[in-house]
Amino acid sequence: QSALTQPPSASGSPGQSVSISCTGTGNDVGAYNYVSWYQQHPGKAPKLILYEVTKRPSGVPDRFSGSKSGNTASLAVSGLQGEDEAHYYCASYAGGNILLFGGGTKLTVL
Amino acid sequence: EVQLLESGGGLAQPGGSLRLSCAASRFSFSTYGMAWVRQAPGKGLECVSVITNSGGGRYNADSVKGRFTISRDNSRNTLYLQMNSLRADDTAVYYCAKISSGWLGDYFDSWGQGTLVTVSS
Repeated sequence: QSALTQPPSASGSPGQSVSISCTGTGNDVGAYNYVSWYQQHPGKAPKLILYEVTKRPSGVPDRFSGSKSGNTASLAVSGLQGEDEAHYYCASYAGGNILLFGGGTKLTVL
Repeated sequence: EVQLLESGGGLAQPGGSLRLSCAASRFSFSTYGMAWVRQAPGKGLECVSVITNSGGGRYNADSVKGRFTISRDNSRNTLYLQMNSLRADDTAVYYCAKISSGWLGDYFDSWGQGTLVTVSS
């Protein structure tokens, strides 16, 4: 299966909002509400920030939110802060046993 | 807090082998599925192998099928990845990841710090 499609980059100024899309197919993102998002700072391990499309793990600020429409899931970050500058990866259950990842989006805080 | 500590990375020759280990602590290891996720230099994440909590179910991505074997020792709280017939495109940081439940399609809720595997002559 092909990786999910994410824009390579996104940007916003401090305090603004930004959205990152994650496009799959009717066999993965469109078929299941099992989309998760991971934040990765340079040289660090990924960190879970959203799961099951909209749910936030304990400790993740509510500035991070998720949604899904058809075959596209989205991560929204409001009130951008410098610490939000990182790579973001979506992932989706695709009916098999191997989670399918997106190619990643580099978020720059201007 | 969950701890996952990978080891075993290093330099291997094309066609060679390496065995990665992941020591898990501070959670009930035998309850959860586990996975290996890799990241080639400057690239994105790729889940390459997953294993059920009992070890009875193991699955590989097509890119490593027939070459990599995931296993676990629940008595030692340790996850392994045996990598054979290594190729240059296996060069990556390999992360050990905890699956959030016993279901392999669930999300990864904890990650290790990663271990670098370099395949080069």
